Amino acid sequence: DIQMTQSPSSLSASVGDRVTIICRASQNINNYLNWYQQKPGKAPKLLIYGTSNLQSGVPSRFRGSGSGTDFTLTISGLQPEDFATYFCQKSYSFPLTFGGGTKVEIK
Amino acid sequence: EVQLVESGGGLVQPGRSLRLSCLTSGFTFADNSLSWVRQAPGKGLEWVGLIRSNIYGEAPKYAASVKGRFTISRDDSKSIAYLQMNSLKTEDTAVYFCAKPSYDYLTGYFHDYWGQGVLVTVSS
Repeated sequence: DIQMTQSPSSLSASVGDRVTIICRASQNINNYLNWYQQKPGKAPKLLIYGTSNLQSGVPSRFRGSGSGTDFTLTISGLQPEDFATYFCQKSYSFPLTFGGGTKVEIK
Repeated sequence: EVQLVESGGGLVQPGRSLRLSCLTSGFTFADNSLSWVRQAPGKGLEWVGLIRSNIYGEAPKYAASVKGRFTISRDDSKSIAYLQMNSLKTEDTAVYFCAKPSYDYLTGYFHDYWGQGVLVTVSS
């Protein structure tokens, strides 16, 4: 099975910062990659699908990029509501494995 | 409005069984797939399995960690999906979410609607 590895596992940032989260697949997954945001005690929320497609209602400060095995979620101008945990997930070929998560904390 | 509501969680002893339900509304359930995703306390998300619409006549797909113990089924007449969990282990303790995946051949499966989750605790 393809493994999904996120880095870093956690980071500290300030409001207004630009944040980059990396997701690496152990094999080529083309552009079949989603990003989710999860806040404590809540269900995950879809941010980006197919590597770079912004889900309806998600602010444009969230941007996804990459292809093959290396993917990036960038948050430009971090807002207070963005402090959360972010997960990537491969979206084609079972199992639909998630990355381990990246917790974005307030500096 | 799309809604998914899980039920059936609780405390169960190791080796016993439990069935979770996911009641859906706001979309044509029979035409859609349904996933189960779990999250152990303080841990990340783990995809458990997915059942496609009966239109495709395919068996559900499962994660290796639950294959042979868990079974996903659906009742299209009630718009409900089930997760039957047998031979439960302590490591199955988690919040279980059901989620509605959309699919596009260019982007694959993406889970755009989620339930609130239900806690399953496996302990003696």
